[in-house]
Amino acid sequence: TQLLEQSPQFLSIQEGENLTVYCNSSSVFSSLQWYRQEPGEGPVLLVTVVTGGEVKKLKRLTFQFGDARKDSSLHITAAQPGDTGLYLCAGVMTTDSWGKLQFGAGTQVVVTP
Amino acid sequence: DSGVTQTPKHLITATGQRVTLRCSPRSGDLSVYWYQQSLDQGLQFLIQYYNGEERAKGNILERFSAQQFPDLHSELNLSSLELGDSALYFCASSLRPDSSGANVLTFGAGSRLTVL
Repeated sequence: TQLLEQSPQFLSIQEGENLTVYCNSSSVFSSLQWYRQEPGEGPVLLVTVVTGGEVKKLKRLTFQFGDARKDSSLHITAAQPGDTGLYLCAGVMTTDSWGKLQFGAGTQVVVTP
Repeated sequence: DSGVTQTPKHLITATGQRVTLRCSPRSGDLSVYWYQQSLDQGLQFLIQYYNGEERAKGNILERFSAQQFPDLHSELNLSSLELGDSALYFCASSLRPDSSGANVLTFGAGSRLTVL
């Protein structure tokens, strides 16, 4: 059972469309991170959010941390084929060591030209 | 290239055997982490080392062990292998063992273990 539930599991969209990936939990996290993983590679950190209600923008990507620090979302505006990949959310529970990240199962995003 | 080097990239072995996976952290990083990624379990934290000392332990089986050496490279030893141990094993490194400042976890490309 995953502590962090991601939805949807798979998302296929056309270039130029918007998409949102959700990451939910019943547990409180001291921080939450989003990673993107491509085939044959390790996850690459996109962003870290630490404050409840925090919103961070990275070009066309917008990340939000829920007020209660139990959930997060990733929104991509005008998706491009280069956005294709496995998106993983990962959090550190308030009682855990920082490196003990709890990962969601991931959302596979495919953006077609 | 993330700067974290893992060898071997691929490994095929038989049940009951023992293998060693090696990780060289990014230059300057003192903390090393091991994760297992399988299709049914996703990414699972195994163990963390900082400057040679074990820092945190996750869902690591007793058949598995790890250590970090004085030159900061780390090895993950998997013994009495079972079919279910087939997975991608990732090493990650960071400068510090905590979330202070701009501490970032950097992952290697992984070692794919297949147990037949």
